[in-house]
Amino acid sequence: ILNVEQSPQSLHVQEGDSTNFTCSFPSSNFYALHWYRWETAKSPEALFVMTLNGDEKKKGRISATLNTKEGYSYLYIKGSQPEDSATYLCAPNAGNNRKLIWGLGTSLAVNP
Amino acid sequence: NAGVMQNPRHLVRRRGQEARLRCSPMKGHSHVYWYRQLPEEGLKFMVYLQKENIIDESGMPKERFSAEFPKEGPSILRIQQVVRGDSAAYFCASSPSNKEVEQFFGPGTRLTVL
Repeated sequence: ILNVEQSPQSLHVQEGDSTNFTCSFPSSNFYALHWYRWETAKSPEALFVMTLNGDEKKKGRISATLNTKEGYSYLYIKGSQPEDSATYLCAPNAGNNRKLIWGLGTSLAVNP
Repeated sequence: NAGVMQNPRHLVRRRGQEARLRCSPMKGHSHVYWYRQLPEEGLKFMVYLQKENIIDESGMPKERFSAEFPKEGPSILRIQQVVRGDSAAYFCASSPSNKEVEQFFGPGTRLTVL
């Protein structure tokens, strides 16, 4: 069973600040890592799926990096906006299957 | 292309009754996943199904819970003889049959057991 840790648990920033959070997971038997964004009263929305060590992905102001050898991924948000307020979840695959093991997320609040 | 549909959105049951939760995947998606979010907890994997097959049910409680994804129609998560501890949000997600892709989530069903 994978142990997924996300930090910080919550974060409050001002509009325009850049921020980043961490997802840690066991590096053995790694297959892929998913990042999701979950707004209150909505359902999780996929941001990235990353598979290769050194992967970097970007979607607008949000980007992510992956280090499979040491077992971590960073999610960066540049110039945070109030609409970025959400919980950001990471979920690695446990081996070569579709089962995702979810972290508890980082709750981001962006103050205007 | 409609997204993942779940119904009902809210379901209230008394202890001992049965709960049936439905999930219609996105068009063209043959893989369905069920997750549960208990109050104050994160998402927990329950079961992964392809059409007519259960691929991984390692997250399903051993008793009272079952899931199916028939050839025709939605995937069903069935909870028999519900107890208060079953109260949770149940999310369904789907993905196409490619190798490693994102999962698309439905809006969830919030089950309340009185």
